[in-house]
Amino acid sequence: AQSVTQLDSHVSVSEGTPVLLRCNYSSSYSPSLFWYVQHPNKGLQLLLKYTSAATLVKGINGFEAEFKKSETSFHLTKPSAHMSDAAEYFCVVSDDQFYFGTGTSLTVIP
Amino acid sequence: DVKVTQSSRYLVKRTGEKVFLECVQDMDHENMFWYRQDPGLGLRLIYFSYDVKMKEKGDIPEGYSVSREKKERFSLILESASTNQTSMYLCASNEKGRFYSPLHFGNGTRLTVT
Repeated sequence: AQSVTQLDSHVSVSEGTPVLLRCNYSSSYSPSLFWYVQHPNKGLQLLLKYTSAATLVKGINGFEAEFKKSETSFHLTKPSAHMSDAAEYFCVVSDDQFYFGTGTSLTVIP
Repeated sequence: DVKVTQSSRYLVKRTGEKVFLECVQDMDHENMFWYRQDPGLGLRLIYFSYDVKMKEKGDIPEGYSVSREKKERFSLILESASTNQTSMYLCASNEKGRFYSPLHFGNGTRLTVT
């Protein structure tokens, strides 16, 4: 079985500064990994996915994530935060089923 | 783009009522899922379906049932609604190949049971 740990339940950044949302997973296989974003009262929207191709994955809205097998990490980054990035972010791992992290709430300070 | 549509954004029902939550996807996906999302508990799988008339229980199926009579439609049924079923319900779908294909979510139904 998998587990997913999002290391920060809440992150605050100033607009225009970098964003780092951390995700670690446990896996005995080569899983698929995803990041989703959820704005208030909305469903989850796929930001990016890793499925054993390039280890640096580019997603929508300027986000990217790097798969590091040795560290079992899949951290999400963005060079410059925008006010519209304020939302809840979920790291998801899958092999035999989908495993969701508990989410990181991102606040962007003007 | 995949579109997953949940028929209601907000619902208020009384205890004991039978409640139907409807979900339709337009991308011919084989797999469909129902999750509930609660603060502090994250997303929990209620049921999923990998084909018409096929279903499997998720982590928390008690008090729920599902129906999939057509490929594009997956219904979640609360047989007798209770206050502890007040929650955000999220429907999702993905392609065959199941857990390597990303989930596509609807906008959710926020259900309140009074």
